[in-house]
Amino acid sequence: AQSVTQPDIHITVSEGASLELRCNYSYGATPYLFWYVQSPGQGLQLLLKYFSGDTLVQGIKGFEAEFKRSQSSFNLRKPSVHWSDAAEYFCAVGAGTNAGKSTFGDGTTLTVKP
Amino acid sequence: NAGVTQTPKFRVLKTGQSMTLLCAQDMNHEYMYWYRQDPGMGLRLIHYSVGEGTTAKGEVPDGYNVSRLKKQNFLLGLESAAPSQTSVYFCASLSGRYQETQYFGPGTRLLVL
Repeated sequence: AQSVTQPDIHITVSEGASLELRCNYSYGATPYLFWYVQSPGQGLQLLLKYFSGDTLVQGIKGFEAEFKRSQSSFNLRKPSVHWSDAAEYFCAVGAGTNAGKSTFGDGTTLTVKP
Repeated sequence: NAGVTQTPKFRVLKTGQSMTLLCAQDMNHEYMYWYRQDPGMGLRLIHYSVGEGTTAKGEVPDGYNVSRLKKQNFLLGLESAAPSQTSVYFCASLSGRYQETQYFGPGTRLLVL
């Protein structure tokens, strides 16, 4: 069965500082990996995705993530955080052969200090 | 394109009442999904459908039923609501083509008293 672990429930960073959100997954084959962002009271917005190929993927809003198969990780990074990045971030693993079903982590809440 | 829409946006029910949540997509997607999101948790899959007329159970199906009579609509029913079903419900759809991503609706907040 596929699973996702986001070890950090809550992270606080200062505006302008760099950010890394951790995601570890468990999946038997090559996974499809996703990062979503959710602002309070809103739905999910896709930040970026990894299906295959280059292990460093670029997303929207200046985010990037790196797939490391040996570590079963897909960490999200941003070099300089803006106050508007404060939100909840979800990592998800899915597979094209599994009816597209995704399994989500429990999320990491990002607080940005001025 | 409206994408994925959900009706209603917010609802309050009393324990034992029934209701149906409607999800509609105008992208001609084959697959549709219902998730629930509880505080401090990610989305958990309730039921899903891989095509018109088909449905399957997800991770947390108990207390819910679904139907996909038309390709564009996926209905989630609560026959007898319980306080444990207080949650935010998200619908999603997927084209079914290779390496596509899910599109999510805006969510329905349900409070069961």
